[in-house]
Amino acid sequence: AQSVTQLGSHVSVSEGALVLLRCNYSSSVPPYLFWYVQYPNQGLQLLLKYTSAATLVKGINGFEAEFKKSETSFHLTKPSAHMSDAAEYFCAVTNPAVTGANNLFFGTGTRLTVIP
Amino acid sequence: DVKVTQSSRYLVKRTGEKVFLECVQDMDHENMFWYRQDPGLGLRLIYFSYDVKMKEKGDIPEGYSVSREKKERFSLILESASTNQTSMYLCASSSGAGPILSTNEKLFFGSGTQLSVL
Repeated sequence: AQSVTQLGSHVSVSEGALVLLRCNYSSSVPPYLFWYVQYPNQGLQLLLKYTSAATLVKGINGFEAEFKKSETSFHLTKPSAHMSDAAEYFCAVTNPAVTGANNLFFGTGTRLTVIP
Repeated sequence: DVKVTQSSRYLVKRTGEKVFLECVQDMDHENMFWYRQDPGLGLRLIYFSYDVKMKEKGDIPEGYSVSREKKERFSLILESASTNQTSMYLCASSSGAGPILSTNEKLFFGSGTQLSVL
């Protein structure tokens, strides 16, 4: 079974500071991992995904995430926070090798607040 | 850009009512999904469909049914709404074919329907 754990339901950073949103996964087989962002009153948008290629994945809006198998982690980072980054962020995992499992398992979300 | 449209942004219904949530996508996607989003629980899959008239149960299908009569439309039905079904419902579609998520597959989400059951 797959699952993800997002540490910290709320994260606050100052504008210009490093953003670090944590995600740890549990999967018995090599997973696919995703980060989605949800801006207020909008649906989710894909930020980036890991599908067993390069372990450092670059996404939109300057975000990136690194797949670390030894730590079972897929933390999301951005070097310098912008006010427009304020949103809710979801980590998700799926197991592509399991038939019928076209199903993303989402974390509980982390709300990012950017302080001017 | 892919557009996934959910017919209502806000809905208020009474306990016991039959509720239809409609979702339409305009990119000829095979796969469509219904999730519900609850604080502290994240998103949970209710049902998905990978072809017309095909449906698969997700993690929390109880109390829900779905209909996929046309490729572009995926409806979520609450047969008899209950207060514990008050939630944000998100529809999504993807370009994958069949029940297995492919490496190039990407989910596109609608803006959500906030359903309140009184």
